[in-house]
Amino acid sequence: DSGVTQTPKHLITATGQRVTLRCSPRSGDLSVYWYQQSLDQGLQFLIQYYNGEERAKGNILERFSAQQFPDLHSELNLSSLELGDSALYFCASSVEGGNIQYFGAGTRLSVL
Amino acid sequence: QQQVKQSPQSLIVQKGGISIINCAYENTAFDYFPWYQQFPGKGPALLIAIRPDVSEKKEGRFTISFNKSAKQFSLHIMDSQPGDSATYFCAASNPGYALNFGKGTSLLVTP
Repeated sequence: DSGVTQTPKHLITATGQRVTLRCSPRSGDLSVYWYQQSLDQGLQFLIQYYNGEERAKGNILERFSAQQFPDLHSELNLSSLELGDSALYFCASSVEGGNIQYFGAGTRLSVL
Repeated sequence: QQQVKQSPQSLIVQKGGISIINCAYENTAFDYFPWYQQFPGKGPALLIAIRPDVSEKKEGRFTISFNKSAKQFSLHIMDSQPGDSATYFCAASNPGYALNFGKGTSLLVTP
């Protein structure tokens, strides 16, 4: 158990809809990262938050947004969903400046 | 663009054999090179990592070899076991920043 909790485990929705994925980092970790895993693209970095502030952006679509709350949990919001958004979404956390990122078990999103 | 290139895409090794997975990176500013192991239905988990000031690191049956001049690094799994069957990802990063992953290698160790 990595100590990173993601909910829900599975999400099935329709095109055009909006969903929210939730992540609770390991106790004490201030950095949260979101990654998307698809069969053809592998693991792609989406966005990073540190102690409530956005720190870095990767290949995140404008339809996607995220935030980190004062209790350090983070949410990834995906809107106007398309079939191609179907993927596994992982959250990871680390200490400030830390190399090791601990991953949650992921949320599997299916857009029908 | 893919900053870390990984090969092979898939690998089949007999039990007791050596599994070798290779990665190459472009950005010479990277200074942390981890390998992650992922089982079906689970998130990636750190297996072993190396910094560029070291050419080799060994932990049990797992060894990373690092060639800074060639911008390449590899994972060797000695005495491969069926329980090692998983997907392996190499990555590169700087401390406190996102991991740049290779596309992964699906390893199957046959009995």
